[in-house]
Amino acid sequence: GAVVSQHPSRVICKSGTSVKIECRSLDFQATTMFWYRQFPKQSLMLMATSNEGSKATYEQGVEKDKFLINHASLTLSTLTVTSAHPEDSSFYICSAFKTGDPYEQYFGPGTRLTVT
Amino acid sequence: DAKTTQPPSMDCAEGRAANLPCNHSTISGNEYVYWYRQIHSQGPQYIIHGLKNNETNEMASLIITEDRKSSTLILPHATLRDTAVYYCIRLYNQGGKLIFGQGTELSVKP
Repeated sequence: GAVVSQHPSRVICKSGTSVKIECRSLDFQATTMFWYRQFPKQSLMLMATSNEGSKATYEQGVEKDKFLINHASLTLSTLTVTSAHPEDSSFYICSAFKTGDPYEQYFGPGTRLTVT
Repeated sequence: DAKTTQPPSMDCAEGRAANLPCNHSTISGNEYVYWYRQIHSQGPQYIIHGLKNNETNEMASLIITEDRKSSTLILPHATLRDTAVYYCIRLYNQGGKLIFGQGTELSVKP
C-alpha cells in the first residue's frame, strides 16, 4: 500500500496565530492532494484540491485567504490556517492519489487542531 | 450533496457477516460506487469499488443491483476491529474528489 503522513498529529495554538500542517506522500508521487476538515460527530468536508505546481481549488464557502494551501512538490502539500480562531478547531485530514493510479485515494492519519 | 443514502447505524455480532446497504437511485451509467471506512480519530481507509459487476477483495465484497440503484457492502466475518463509520460514495471521475455523506456507524459486538 501507499503511505500518507501528516505532521503534526496534534497542535494547540493561541487565537490569532497561524498553524501549518504538512501532508506527505512517503512512497509515491502525488500530483493531486485533497484537504478535508471534520468536526466532532460529523462527516468529512472537502475543503480544497491541491495540485502540484498550481493554485489550489477551494470548495464553496472555504476562505482561500484563511486556509493557505501550497503544493510545492510531488510529495508535499501544506495547509496553513491563518489567524486561527476557536471555531477553526477541528480534525484536518489530507489525502492523495498516486500519480497515474486514480482508483484508490490514500488518507493521512489526520491532525487535531485546537485553538485556545 | 453526497447523493447516497445509508442507515445511520447498524450492529453486527462478531464473526457474523455485516451487510451494509447503500441507496444511490440517481446514479449515472459512468459513476462508480466506492466504499471507505473511518475508524475513530483516524483517516479513512479504502475498502472496495465497483461500476456494474460485483467485486470482491481481501477485505469485503460489493454487490451492486442490476439497475445499479443500490449496493451492499459485505464484510464476511466481522471482527471488533471492523467497528467504524462506513461511507458509500459515488464517483464520476476516478482520480477526482470524494464527497462524503453521513455514512453508517457499524458496531461489531462480542
